[in-house]
Order: sequence, then structure tokens, then C-alpha cells
Amino acid sequence: DTGVSQDPRHKITKRGQNVTFRCDPISEHNRLYWYRQTLGQGPEFLTYFQNEAQLEKSRLLSDRFSAERPKGSFSTLEIQRTEQGDSAMYLCASSDRRDSNEKLFFGSGTQLSVL
Amino acid sequence: AQSVTQLDSQVPVFEEAPVELRCNYSSSVSVYLFWYVQYPNQGLQLLLKYLSGSTLVKGINGFEAEFNKSQTSFHLRKPSVHISDTAEYFCAVRLGPLGGKSTFGDGTTLTVKP
Repeated sequence: DTGVSQDPRHKITKRGQNVTFRCDPISEHNRLYWYRQTLGQGPEFLTYFQNEAQLEKSRLLSDRFSAERPKGSFSTLEIQRTEQGDSAMYLCASSDRRDSNEKLFFGSGTQLSVL
Repeated sequence: AQSVTQLDSQVPVFEEAPVELRCNYSSSVSVYLFWYVQYPNQGLQLLLKYLSGSTLVKGINGFEAEFNKSQTSFHLRKPSVHISDTAEYFCAVRLGPLGGKSTFGDGTTLTVKP
């Protein structure tokens, strides 16, 4: 068990560029979550998947954001036409639906800086 | 919609002193309650959770929390802190047992001084 892995750890981009982040969950976990965290605030829910199905998406998420989990394993989060307000830590978490407590395991995050 | 308020953004305390980190929540339905810890440059880790049953729950590293339904609170306590407890602590609520989003508070930075 290598834990939840996120790539890259850091991303610096210019405003208007597209970026894509990857998350590899713990192998047997069928639920995968994306959160965003800005300085001084707690994680904010973006979306989550059960296997390949996207079950919930935050209304705060603009159309510039899209997430996929095509084979029910890793997931990607893409932000199109980045804005300075997108600068944040993007966190991925996974859990096992068979776990009645459904403990979330978080990755270390991808820090995005939009210049 | 549910919300979480962590009443203290920063809590400084001396080593071996007791500490309480306060958390209040708002929800029109029953919720599940969690405390997470985030050490510098690490991902969030679950400290403890309340799902049902006894209102006093014990977690890792000697932490415990008490669920108080009438006061809608879930305060985190430790009787004697160590330098290594210095971290950011997040309270979170979730509506159901079967997944779905968690709503987090803005965090409390616990700083343990020697």
C-alpha cells in the first residue's frame, strides 16, 4: 500500500493556460474525491467518483473544471483557461466503499500557482 | 446544507499542558463527524470519527473528542500535548455513511511550545 499519489507536486502556469493533475488512489479503493484548499481555509469539495461514475460535482465548480476517472482507477482533474483565483492546493482522497466507516485517505496534494 | 465552524484559528500551548480545539457544526439532519490532522508537508490524516454510539470517541496519538448533539459540538481534547502535536487540525462533517462530500472547517493551528 503506497498511499494516494498525486502528480505533479507543484505546478506553475501562466493565466489562460490549461493544466492537468493526476491522482492514483489506493489500489482497492473504489471511491475517489477531489478537494481544493486555499491558504487559511479547509478543504473544499469539488467532485467524487465511485468507480468510473462521477456521482457528485460541486456547484462551485465552473465549466472550466473537468474530472475523469475513465477506468475506475486513476483520475485526472483538468482546469482550462486558468485564472489567478485557481491558485490553490488540489487534494485527492480515496476510500473503500466496503469500509462501513469509509475512512478517507488523502494524498499530499498538487500546489497550483497561476501567474 | 451543513457547515462547520472552528472557533479558534490558532491555539498556542506549552508542552504537557492540556488542550481543547473547538468545533461546532450546523445541519438539519444527522451527520457523521471527523477530526483530521495535517502535519507540515503531509496529507491530511484521520484522527478520529463519530458515527454512532458512545459520544466520547478516542483516536490516535491520545486525542479524544466528545459529540454533544444539543450543543452541536464536537470538541477535540488531549490531556497532555507534545511538541510533535504541532500541526493543523480540521473538523469535518459528512451527511451519510455511504460516501459523498465532507464539509471541512477552516482549521485550527496548534502550536506546542517547549
